[in-house]
Amino acid sequence: DAGITQSPRHKVTETGTPVTLRCHQTENHRYMYWYRQDPGHGLRLIHYSYGVKDTDKGEVSDGYSVSRSKTEDFLLTLESATSSQTSVYFCAISESPLTNNEQFFGPGTRLTVL
Amino acid sequence: AQTVTQSQPEMSVQEAETVTLSCTYDTSESDYYLFWYKQPPSRQMILVIRQEAYKQQNATENRFSVNFQKAAKSFSLKISDSQLGDAAMYFCAYRSETGNQFYFGTGTSLTVIP
Repeated sequence: DAGITQSPRHKVTETGTPVTLRCHQTENHRYMYWYRQDPGHGLRLIHYSYGVKDTDKGEVSDGYSVSRSKTEDFLLTLESATSSQTSVYFCAISESPLTNNEQFFGPGTRLTVL
Repeated sequence: AQTVTQSQPEMSVQEAETVTLSCTYDTSESDYYLFWYKQPPSRQMILVIRQEAYKQQNATENRFSVNFQKAAKSFSLKISDSQLGDAAMYFCAYRSETGNQFYFGTGTSLTVIP
């Protein structure tokens, strides 16, 4: 299994509070991704990174920010959590598609915003 | 952006029987990769099978095989001799040959009936 961990694995917070989710990899993969998974929507991309300090928005980036100061860590921040951000969040990593086209996933974080 | 469509939200199959999950995608590119991921109740995303668009031969992995129809932009997953452990959510995904992003369908929930 690819070495990807997410922390925390579960979190309950209140509306308006800031929340940071962490993704850590030991595979030295270039690309890192944050998705959210909601019933009926599958996996939707929030943000992704293609290198240290290089990030780009995905399909559902409003209300989220990311940072990547080291190859191995990719942080997702909800500046002011809302109930609509209650979801399961997955981190994923990949290499260049010409090297290895597969995407590997972390175990997920269940976030509940009350 | 590419779109991936899974038109079957739920499917069921009798144990030991065969089931086919459908997936269609929309792209103007000629080279790309397609994937089927399995998500059991544990939430861990597991790669089941992949197909490179430049390969005409359909991919197979033990009891799992695909029917890749490039002109029709169709990528179905066939599970033979279904087992109870195959019960899961299945996601179809697309990645372009040079792209950073993966695009996922909304998933098909497969139930295996003993």
